[in-house]
Amino acid sequence: EAQLVESGGGLVQPGGSLKISCAASGLTFTDFAMHWVRQASGKGLEWVGHIRTKPNNYATVYAASVKGRFTISRDDSKNTAYLQMNSLKNEDTAVYYCARRRGNHLDLWGRGTLVSVSS
Amino acid sequence: DIQMTQSPSPLSASVGDRVTITCRASQSIISYLNWYQQKPGKAPELLIYGASNLQSGVPSRFSGSGSGTDFTLTIRSLRPEDSATYYCQQSYTPPFTFGPGTKVDIK
Repeated sequence: EAQLVESGGGLVQPGGSLKISCAASGLTFTDFAMHWVRQASGKGLEWVGHIRTKPNNYATVYAASVKGRFTISRDDSKNTAYLQMNSLKNEDTAVYYCARRRGNHLDLWGRGTLVSVSS
Repeated sequence: DIQMTQSPSPLSASVGDRVTITCRASQSIISYLNWYQQKPGKAPELLIYGASNLQSGVPSRFSGSGSGTDFTLTIRSLRPEDSATYYCQQSYTPPFTFGPGTKVDIK
């Protein structure tokens, strides 16, 4: 069964950094672009960014709210995608989900990992 | 960036009702429109992709329609387990923006 599992969330101070992971299993990881989506408590879904596959040069795109602070990467040998978050702000506090892109939709999601930014 | 709006929100309906949620894009997205269902404390789940294609395993009472800028999600006969928040998302061009969500409550 295909599955995505996020990990690495936690409490970090404003201005700090955190790297979260998304481990894939039961799927051919190299075939899919991977997206990150976040959700602040009681709020809606916010698209964060994505990383495409090797044939697409691992191209990345980011939302304006995180561009220049967040970096998405992937290690195909480990079937894992990453979200490196720097210069964190209080408003980055959210549950972060990774999701697989199939065609033009996100058909498989992880359960999310909570990132809290607070002093 | 493409802005997505949804209406109504929230929505309260009775079991067995036909429910329609509308999603509007700020510019044409052709048919690059997806619908997701999210229940409290859970990850979103894909319901409809490409405006009208039912995701495998999703009950047939869900359907989607529309193209260009205006789209609808219809639940043909509302069931208690359909109580959730529904989001549309455009996948035409990044950033792949979501609508604000429509919370559906069962009366």
